[in-house]
Amino acid sequence: QQQVKQSPQSLIVQKGGISIINCAYENTAFDYFPWYQQFPGKGPALLIAIRPDVSEKKEGRFTISFNKSAKQFSLHIMDSQPGDSATYFCAASIGGSNYKLTFGKGTLLTVNP
Amino acid sequence: EAQVTQNPRYLITVTGKKLTVTCSQNMNHEYMSWYRQDPGLGLRQIYYSMNVEVTDKGDVPEGYKVSRKEKRNFPLILESPSPNQTSLYFCASSLLGLTPSGANVLTFGAGSRLTVL
Repeated sequence: QQQVKQSPQSLIVQKGGISIINCAYENTAFDYFPWYQQFPGKGPALLIAIRPDVSEKKEGRFTISFNKSAKQFSLHIMDSQPGDSATYFCAASIGGSNYKLTFGKGTLLTVNP
Repeated sequence: EAQVTQNPRYLITVTGKKLTVTCSQNMNHEYMSWYRQDPGLGLRQIYYSMNVEVTDKGDVPEGYKVSRKEKRNFPLILESPSPNQTSLYFCASSLLGLTPSGANVLTFGAGSRLTVL
């Protein structure tokens, strides 16, 4: 049973456009929702994270939107740049920690110049 | 430089030949974990450790062993590798506990690509 469903699998966006990646979860005990960015040949790196007590968190061009009632959260990348081309993973855990993260399957984002 | 170092980065081996993937961190982190990454499956946790001599199973522990004899090292052991263990493996570490803004940052190594023939 997949506990965090991520879509789309791949996404192509033009430079300057908005990239949107969606995740849905089933376990209502999840209370920590990070997004990780992974470049080819590198390990994942934390991009931005949100707790369910807020509906939105913004860091620069990256925004997480969180809908607790729908059990969904999404990553928005504004003014997408070719350097944003990477694989993005959403994740979720219980207890607000990183100890047992459940990851989505990942989205390969390509930003064309 | 603060980092998680994995070795080897690439390895091709044969079925049944025991191997160890080493992981070392220089950040004095209590928590360490192993993940495997497979196409279309994302990252799945194999084992994790909350501190020295404290380890626990993740979601896909079958066929793997770990040990945590020192705080900085967390090796992943494949006693009898099989082709279904061909994967990209990541070690990660973080401090325990929470910060005012949430979880401590989980730092990943660069990955070890293992092929079992």
